[in-house]
Amino acid sequence: KNEVEQSPQNLTAQEGEFITINCSYSVGISALHWLQQHPGGGIVSLFMLSSGKKKHGRLIATINIQEKHSSLHITASHPRDSAVYICAVKGEYGNKLVFGAGTILRVKS
Amino acid sequence: DTAVSQTPKYLVTQMGNDKSIKCEQNLGHDTMYWYKQDSKKFLKIMFSYNNKELIINETVPNRFSPKSPDKAHLNLHINSLELGDSAVYFCASSQGYLAGGGEETQYFGPGTRLLVL
Repeated sequence: KNEVEQSPQNLTAQEGEFITINCSYSVGISALHWLQQHPGGGIVSLFMLSSGKKKHGRLIATINIQEKHSSLHITASHPRDSAVYICAVKGEYGNKLVFGAGTILRVKS
Repeated sequence: DTAVSQTPKYLVTQMGNDKSIKCEQNLGHDTMYWYKQDSKKFLKIMFSYNNKELIINETVPNRFSPKSPDKAHLNLHINSLELGDSAVYFCASSQGYLAGGGEETQYFGPGTRLLVL
């Protein structure tokens, strides 16, 4: 079993819908990253968090350290949000990132 | 200005050849990484260098050899290429290694698509 599990694997939503992508991990971490990989392949870091909640535009990321769980929310989704969203955790020591398998999001207009 | 750049973007080569991928970052970061993304889009770390020193070396075949001439560059040389090496290779960088709080963003290059025939 992978140390980082994401759900769902695939998600199709209608434009305007509220979207939640979940990430659970089984190891001790110092930080959790949410990344977005565009259809063209480029990877962008969305958030890095070690506690609480962060917001950037229509994106919100939360983390519960005790439950070893993080969620990425997208409000008022738009077709341009269509991408693969990847959760990655950084272990308690060093800079190594362990990645989840990604969630493929498709937002239809 | 491109923060993390990789060359080439695409690389098509025959089995058995030796090839190199170059990575440069202009962010002044101390730490650089190589990741491999397989056909199932799963990302996995291969190497990490901090100030030209190797700090992470995952179970990668000896045919892969990273080289860091200075902290702004991390190149990946692959000997005797095999079909299974076909993947997208991403370079990334971040500030610091054992940074307090672990609050560091990794900046990714555009990726190099390697196809071994």
